[in-house]
Amino acid sequence: NAGVTQTPKFQVLKTGQSMTLQCAQDMNHEYMSWYRQDPGMGLRLIHYSVGAGITDQGEVPNGYNVSRSTTEDFPLRLLSAAPSQTSVYFCASAGDSNTEAFFGQGTRLTVV
Amino acid sequence: AQSVTQPDIHITVSEGASLELRCNYSYGATPYLFWYVQSPGQGLQLLLKYFSGDTLVQGIKGFEAEFKRSQSSFNLRKPSVHWSDAAEYFCAVGAWGWYGGSQGNLIFGKGTKLSVKP
Repeated sequence: NAGVTQTPKFQVLKTGQSMTLQCAQDMNHEYMSWYRQDPGMGLRLIHYSVGAGITDQGEVPNGYNVSRSTTEDFPLRLLSAAPSQTSVYFCASAGDSNTEAFFGQGTRLTVV
Repeated sequence: AQSVTQPDIHITVSEGASLELRCNYSYGATPYLFWYVQSPGQGLQLLLKYFSGDTLVQGIKGFEAEFKRSQSSFNLRKPSVHWSDAAEYFCAVGAWGWYGGSQGNLIFGKGTKLSVKP
């Protein structure tokens, strides 16, 4: 069972570069989310989606874009990377509006 | 506003000793509560969850948690800690969103790092 798969696992970007973090789930979950984890801050919600074609902002959305064209995929785009976006990014999915979230293994991003 | 507080940033216990990790939440209605564990460099694994019913919840790896509405708490316990329990532990509450329900979204505490002494 693949569950939630994130790619890449590690990435180094230069300031101003753009990139897309990929997230795919094979559980047919309607709900998908992106979080960032910073030391001493826990995980904070960036964007989320309640189904294909529907997305919304979380707590820290600035500098990130998302789209949800299929149930399986929920990519996170950094438009112009900044050092403040150095973090570990986690994608999660949930099968129902009030059930547990399943997490990917994370993407460690460094912006220099 | 919904929030989760984990008062202890770092706890050290001896192997074989009991453990209690504290979690307090702020939420207007009946909360959906979770404990996740994260080993270094890994993703998050669900230990246990509370949605309704029995306030004492059993999880994996010998962990349990008790929901106390009067104290707005959901503390995690284990009677005897093993060296492999060393990790960071996160308490979370289901976030109520515009579309109704939590949409699987969580509000996390800042985590408690557990170290285990031999």
